[in-house]
Amino acid sequence: GAGVSQTPSNKVTEKGKYVELRCDPISGHTALYWYRQSLGQGPEFLIYFQGTGAADDSGLPNDRFFAVRPEGSVSTLKIQRTERGDSAVYLCASSLMASSQGEQFFGPGTRLTVL
Amino acid sequence: GENVEQHPSTLSVQEGDSAVIKCTYSDSASNYFPWYKQELGKRPQLIIDIRSNVGEKKDQRIAVTLNKTAKHFSLHITETQPEDSAVYFCAAREASGTYKYIFGTGTRLKVLA
Repeated sequence: GAGVSQTPSNKVTEKGKYVELRCDPISGHTALYWYRQSLGQGPEFLIYFQGTGAADDSGLPNDRFFAVRPEGSVSTLKIQRTERGDSAVYLCASSLMASSQGEQFFGPGTRLTVL
Repeated sequence: GENVEQHPSTLSVQEGDSAVIKCTYSDSASNYFPWYKQELGKRPQLIIDIRSNVGEKKDQRIAVTLNKTAKHFSLHITETQPEDSAVYFCAAREASGTYKYIFGTGTRLKVLA
């Protein structure tokens, strides 16, 4: 694809439900990042992958959040027992390699609303 | 871990004037500093970046300066135009044990015609 894509673009769910958010990075990009952006704030780091492995998951707020990237391309962010405070735009970004000082390309985001 | 502070939170300038946004960071090991522009409802887009071995970089009307000793970097936009109106974010990429990015809180720039 031409850029980073994310699905769904919008997700409305009820408190307590489970959600999965998907990110398709640019082909060939080995680094993939997940961020959460609340209204009026900067992107907040959650986790990044280099290849298939989670290189740094220190930004995940608690154990309800989990992310995978089993084949080193598509990644899924999973949120269990959603809470109203999880409502935000979840952004994904990819770059050629985490250690290179190169551009991160962002996806359009998934707007998650927890009722 | 890294902490990035960004000022001001809002900035209004007359068309044609210059705008300056400043960021400070805490981790001296951080070595890459990108700036992003985000329009309402859109994804952040890179507008300029600077590496730690460079003090200044310019691209047409946009420039970034880096002071490693003071741990601060600034975005300069000259001859501002209405289409420059957006939210701008600075970021610092760590380079000690991790390559995560920490973002500033953003500056809402309004260019008044």
